[in-house]
Amino acid sequence: SQKIEQNSEALNIQEGKTATLTCNYTNYSPAYLQWYRQDPGRGPVFLLLIRENEKEKRKERLKVTFDTTLKQSLFHITASQPADSATYLCALDIEGGYNKLIFGAGTRLAVHP
Amino acid sequence: GAVVSQHPSRVICKSGTSVKIECRSLDFQATTMFWYRQFPKQSLMLMATSNEGSKATYEQGVEKDKFLINHASLTLSTLTVTSAHPEDSSFYICSASGGDYEQYFGPGTRLTVT
Repeated sequence: SQKIEQNSEALNIQEGKTATLTCNYTNYSPAYLQWYRQDPGRGPVFLLLIRENEKEKRKERLKVTFDTTLKQSLFHITASQPADSATYLCALDIEGGYNKLIFGAGTRLAVHP
Repeated sequence: GAVVSQHPSRVICKSGTSVKIECRSLDFQATTMFWYRQFPKQSLMLMATSNEGSKATYEQGVEKDKFLINHASLTLSTLTVTSAHPEDSSFYICSASGGDYEQYFGPGTRLTVT
């Protein structure tokens, strides 16, 4: 069965540093992968989408890489701020582009002043 | 950006009663809506996919007679938890898609069954 793994332990970093979160998956070849931010008691908010034929995508302080050989995506937040503290979820499309997503459990990021 | 609302945000009900949760896309037409459930510190689990005017497609293990989904228009989908029990207590989240790859999520509904 498809499996998505994200670091279950919280990531604690100092303000201004780069946060790097990992998403690994098995048993599937997704057409694209998405990253979402989720705050406690709230629904996820879309951040970035990267397609299988793209190696890297950037949006302001965010950068996502996608290695389909390693079956891994890395999510970077540069110049991190306390306001970036949240849980970050990765999600894979599992029906060949029909927008049916399977989510990882998320990694909680805490940025300390 | 696209906005999706859910109502109610929190609901407490007695065991055996039914609860309806509404999901609305406020500024776009949602060709597809999705319903998820999330337990504490766990990932979102897709329950069902619904397209306007057609029957919902349920994921394996989700009881269609217990979780009734109606997608009556391009801006409204409802999830009714019938004969709710304490194990149905969870965070229910809907999302809507206008046909592209992005899903726009609602703020979620916290259901507590006593």
